[in-house]
Amino acid sequence: GAVVSQHPSWVICKSGTSVKIECRSLDFQATTMFWYRQFPKQSLMLMATSNEGSKATYEQGVEKDKFLINHASLTLSTLTVTSAHPEDSSFYICSARGRTDSIEKLFFGSGTQLSVL
Amino acid sequence: LAKTTQPISMDSYEGQEVNITCSHNNIATNDYITWYQQFPSQGPRFIIQGYKTKVTNEVASLFIPADRKSSTLSLPRVSLSDTAVYYCLVGDAPSGSARQLTFGSGTQLTVLP
Repeated sequence: GAVVSQHPSWVICKSGTSVKIECRSLDFQATTMFWYRQFPKQSLMLMATSNEGSKATYEQGVEKDKFLINHASLTLSTLTVTSAHPEDSSFYICSARGRTDSIEKLFFGSGTQLSVL
Repeated sequence: LAKTTQPISMDSYEGQEVNITCSHNNIATNDYITWYQQFPSQGPRFIIQGYKTKVTNEVASLFIPADRKSSTLSLPRVSLSDTAVYYCLVGDAPSGSARQLTFGSGTQLTVLP
């Protein structure tokens, strides 16, 4: 079946540094990937839609210069949290649309827990 | 985008059947209903998808009334490992669509021994 690989699983960084999170579709091509953010005990919040070969579409309130998204190939999207601060600490999840058993659905990565000190 | 409403939490005991209902009053004609399961510190996982009537797979059933303004996820004989958050999403699923699927609050299901 379709698999989305996300890494790192967790990262701790100092305030002011940048962190890159990778999201790969392992056995299918994903022209569109999604990036979410999730705080403890809360639902997933869509941050942006990543489109292969074009600029990402950001949701209202999400700073595009803060959260850089690159979708350079059909199997890889990256999210870079630039100049991270403690308030950026969160669980980040990516997903991609895929089809198995004739059903189109979202396949999710395992998530990345970011802790900014 | 169709907004969804679910109960915030539910408790059940092992071996019981659990039904989680989701309301989506402004569902569009092209929208499908998809349910996902999420364990702590993991990404969500697909459970089941349907458009109308009833759908059943190896882990759950999905009941959708004729007006499609709600749906019910049914988990037969739950076990402790079914403790998770369950999300119902509504959106068009055809291949090629760029429409996002929005997560609602989800339902925290706790299965007790």
